[in-house]
Amino acid sequence: AQSVTQPDIHITVSEGASLELRCNYSYGATPYLFWYVQSPGQGLQLLLKYFSGDTLVQGIKGFEAEFKRSQSSFNLRKPSVHWSDAAEYFCAVGASRNFGNEKLTFGTGTRLTIIP
Amino acid sequence: NAGVTQTPKFQVLKTGQSMTLQCAQDMNHNSMYWYRQDPGMGLRLIYYSASEGTTDKGEVPNGYNVSRLNKREFSLRLESAAPSQTSVYFCASSELAGGPGDTQYFGPGTRLTVL
Repeated sequence: AQSVTQPDIHITVSEGASLELRCNYSYGATPYLFWYVQSPGQGLQLLLKYFSGDTLVQGIKGFEAEFKRSQSSFNLRKPSVHWSDAAEYFCAVGASRNFGNEKLTFGTGTRLTIIP
Repeated sequence: NAGVTQTPKFQVLKTGQSMTLQCAQDMNHNSMYWYRQDPGMGLRLIYYSASEGTTDKGEVPNGYNVSRLNKREFSLRLESAAPSQTSVYFCASSELAGGPGDTQYFGPGTRLTVL
């Protein structure tokens, strides 16, 4: 079965500083990987996704993530955070091609706080 | 194009009461999903519907039932609510049933409290 670990429950960074959110996955085949963001009181919005090809993926709002198969990681990065980036971030690993028991599995989330 | 909509946004129930959470999508997606979100546990899949006319259990289906009314609508029913079902419920939809390109789009959520 697939699983996702986000080791950081809460991260605080200063506005303008760089950001890296960690995500480690466990999956038997080539994974489909996603990062979602959830602003307070809102639903989840897709930031970016990886299916195949270039291991550095660009997303919306200036975010990027790098797939590293050797480390089973898919860390999210942003070079300079803005106050509006304060939110909760979820990493997820996607279903296999056969829609069976393996589907989208989410990590427990990392809450990001931005200080002025 | 509203995407995924959910009603109601908030609900308070007493133990033993029943209710139905409604979800609709206007993106002509084949697959729809119900998740619950609890603090420190991320999102967990309750039920999903890979296509119109089919439904299957997810990770935490006990105490819930679903109906895929048509391609647009997927409802979640609590027959006898329990305090353990206090949670935020999210509906999602995707174009394909698994596989590359299967991005899920989420509704705004329903915050349910069971007293």
